[in-house]
Amino acid sequence: NAGVTQTPKFQVLKTGQSMTLQCAQDMNHEYMSWYRQDPGMGLRLIHYSVGAGITDQGEVPNGYNVSRSTTEDFPLRLLSAAPSQTSVYFCASSRPGFGNTIYFGEGSWLTVV
Amino acid sequence: AQSVTQPDIHITVSEGASLELRCNYSYGATPYLFWYVQSPGQGLQLLLKYFSGDTLVQGIKGFEAEFKRSQSSFNLRKPSVHWSDAAEYFCAVGASSGGYQKVTFGTGTKLQVIP
Repeated sequence: NAGVTQTPKFQVLKTGQSMTLQCAQDMNHEYMSWYRQDPGMGLRLIHYSVGAGITDQGEVPNGYNVSRSTTEDFPLRLLSAAPSQTSVYFCASSRPGFGNTIYFGEGSWLTVV
Repeated sequence: AQSVTQPDIHITVSEGASLELRCNYSYGATPYLFWYVQSPGQGLQLLLKYFSGDTLVQGIKGFEAEFKRSQSSFNLRKPSVHWSDAAEYFCAVGASSGGYQKVTFGTGTKLQVIP
């Protein structure tokens, strides 16, 4: 019963490097999203997708890129990593509709030095 | 736009004591309200949610929450805390936005349980 799977769990990057955080879900959920979690700031929405081929920006999209070629996968790309992007990243998915439960992955800890 | 306030950053309770975590929300219409729990090193797990009906909702792990419209609050309670309840708790409000459910999370309350 995999649910939402994120990889890698831990990553250290140098400033300016690029990388992709992978996210896959096996629940056939149309909605997927990426959040970042920083101390004292809760979870902030980076990008979201309401279905394959459709993505939109959330609250803090700068420096990140996403695409959604399949229902299952929603990778998050850091184009040129900055220390300000040091954070814990969570991928989430849910069925469409008001009030549906959001299911979260276990998180990816990213440090940019 | 909706918002959520969790006024307590950190709470310490003794094992066996009762617990109440505060949550206040701001939203123009009837919101969907959630409580999530995050154990160390883990993702978030849904404890309970409310949209309509009985204002006292029961969740998993013995938690309950009460919706009070007049106070714009959705406080989480547990009669007797166990050491395994030590975690961070997030209140969230869901709102309909162009067919998509936009969920806004509070900043979280970290619960410490002492023996």
